[in-house]
Amino acid sequence: QKEVEQNSGPLSVPEGAIASLNCTYSDRGSQSFFWYRQYSGKSPELIMFIYSNGDKEDGRFTAQLNKASQYVSLLIRDSQPSDSATYLCAVKGGATNKLIFGTGTLLAVQP
Amino acid sequence: IAGITQAPTSQILAAGRRMTLRCTQDMRHNAMYWYRQDLGLGLRLIHYSNTAGTTGKGEVPDGYSVSRANTDDFPLTLASAVPSQTSVYFCATKIGIQTTSGNTIYFGEGSWLTVV
Repeated sequence: QKEVEQNSGPLSVPEGAIASLNCTYSDRGSQSFFWYRQYSGKSPELIMFIYSNGDKEDGRFTAQLNKASQYVSLLIRDSQPSDSATYLCAVKGGATNKLIFGTGTLLAVQP
Repeated sequence: IAGITQAPTSQILAAGRRMTLRCTQDMRHNAMYWYRQDLGLGLRLIHYSNTAGTTGKGEVPDGYSVSRANTDDFPLTLASAVPSQTSVYFCATKIGIQTTSGNTIYFGEGSWLTVV
């Protein structure tokens, strides 16, 4: 089992819809959770981080964390074609205290 | 992201040659990292440095070496390049202090390396 798992996609949603990206992790002691966006040929850029159970909202983005179920998700409301990118989930803490990245989910927002 | 400069941007390298990828930051961040990113494998940590003068091995350190003589520079050296080291390499930094934002990692623009 991979330490951080994401569905590779592509996840295709129509413009204006809600995109839901999911990530599960294996280390129950993990404490910090990050979502990065990576456009093709570019470097990852941080969208959000979350530490506590529940939801954290920032503009059109909402991160949701459920430590009991060991998953973290990212919701993108009113999806735009410019949101089309690969979204990387990263998890830190636990046994190794290292930042582990998932392989990313490719999101395609159709105009 | 402004503040982290990587060079070269891209390079084609003959197998067996020595190559150094340069990384310089002007944000005075304590921690610096080198990742490689490969299709289907995601980002994997090669080496890291928590502060100037210290380095550590990441997930895939074999064939690579680093040094951290000062806060700003963190070069990655391939002593004798092999085709399996064809990848995109990202340098990254972190403030390194124990705050909610202190764990955030920022990435440079990447160096595309092809070993033939």
